[in-house]
Amino acid sequence: EDQVTQSPEALRLQEGESSSLNCSYTVSGLRGLFWYRQDPGKGPEFLFTLYSAGEEKEKERLKATLTKKESFLHITAPKPEDSATYLCAVRQGGYQKVTFGTGTKLQVIP
Amino acid sequence: DGGITQSPKYLFRKEGQNVTLSCEQNLNHDAMYWYRQDPGQGLRLIYYSQIVNDFQKGDIAEGYSVSREKKESFPLTVTSAQKNPTAFYLCASSAGQGPEQYFGPGTRLTVT
Repeated sequence: EDQVTQSPEALRLQEGESSSLNCSYTVSGLRGLFWYRQDPGKGPEFLFTLYSAGEEKEKERLKATLTKKESFLHITAPKPEDSATYLCAVRQGGYQKVTFGTGTKLQVIP
Repeated sequence: DGGITQSPKYLFRKEGQNVTLSCEQNLNHDAMYWYRQDPGQGLRLIYYSQIVNDFQKGDIAEGYSVSREKKESFPLTVTSAQKNPTAFYLCASSAGQGPEQYFGPGTRLTVT
């Protein structure tokens, strides 16, 4: 069964304390891995798309990387405004369907 | 500004009533999607449409119906046959196969 697993479920960081979120996947024919940020009560906001192992994307304090089995979202020197739930999703080969993980809820304490 | 709008933001209904959730996009995207989000679960696909006048069932289509008469619009009807309709509903669109999906702000439906 195709799966997307995110860890940890929740993460609490002090402001400035860098860390990484993990997204592991077991899908065949990966056609793209996506990272989203979701604030409470709002729709997910697109962050990054990664297509092949070794690929990296950066945006401000966030950096996403991809291997054949997992992706990491590295957060460098986070600020309280980075607090949100971060969702990972994968697109399988040949389908429009996208499988989402359950997310990592990040809290950054001032 | 291009984007996806969903209305209303909050919706309350009694059991046994059908309700329609609106989704409109001005991104000129061909594909549109409806997801349901429940606490502790990943987004689950209800229906998707790759092109006007065509749509396919997702993983949890029972008790839901959709139409795609215009490229910009993809309304979702939650029927009385849906056993647990209370949830946060998200509409999304993408430019086609492959690219990322962009989401609307969501509609929170409460059925009592």
